[in-house]
Amino acid sequence: DAGITQSPRYKITETGRQVTLMCHQTWSHSYMFWYRQDLGHGLRLIYYSAAADITDKGEVPDGYVVSRSKTENFPLTLESATRSQTSVYFCASSVGQDVTPLHFGNGTRLTVT
Amino acid sequence: GNSVTQMEGPVTLSEEAFLTINCTYTATGYPSLFWYVQYPGEGLQLLLKATKADDKGSNKGFEATYRKETTSFHLEKGSVQVSDSAVYFCALSDQQSGYALNFGKGTSLLVTP
Repeated sequence: DAGITQSPRYKITETGRQVTLMCHQTWSHSYMFWYRQDLGHGLRLIYYSAAADITDKGEVPDGYVVSRSKTENFPLTLESATRSQTSVYFCASSVGQDVTPLHFGNGTRLTVT
Repeated sequence: GNSVTQMEGPVTLSEEAFLTINCTYTATGYPSLFWYVQYPGEGLQLLLKATKADDKGSNKGFEATYRKETTSFHLEKGSVQVSDSAVYFCALSDQQSGYALNFGKGTSLLVTP
């Protein structure tokens, strides 16, 4: 089915471990985004990508790494997870124009113990 | 930089009551404005949008008008239903980050029978 899929839906990991959150979209949208959602902060942009092999930092990039070798995939890696990275992570995609909306996945709830 | 401020919740209303959720923005230029809705356990969905001053976005009985003179985009609905219970986010597009959205912190709405 067409859409944007995130995996896993839930993840528990320990401090210091590496964890990768996956995001896959089937629309061939140029732009993809990673947000984190925290109570009291709303959604904050972590990284975004304008196309394959092009990525750029958002508002809160520290501690995260992204890659985009293929248009449809945009994985987010926490290289050494910290408790402050406990959050709900949302991936989104769009065609990348001002008037077009973002399409969101259902999120990954990550808990770092 | 660009930013969005929306009223804090939670907002609790009785079914059929009138809803207003205030949203104001700060931006250079004339960004597009959006309202997104998030139902429990789901990602964000576009509710409505407006792309220029005096535009009115509408969907599912919700409306919002892009007011440049007051830099506002307040969300309204004349008669809310229990099924409208959700978190509502005001957002503006940010050309500097690939048209990523800058979100407000969200307003939780609970509609009681």
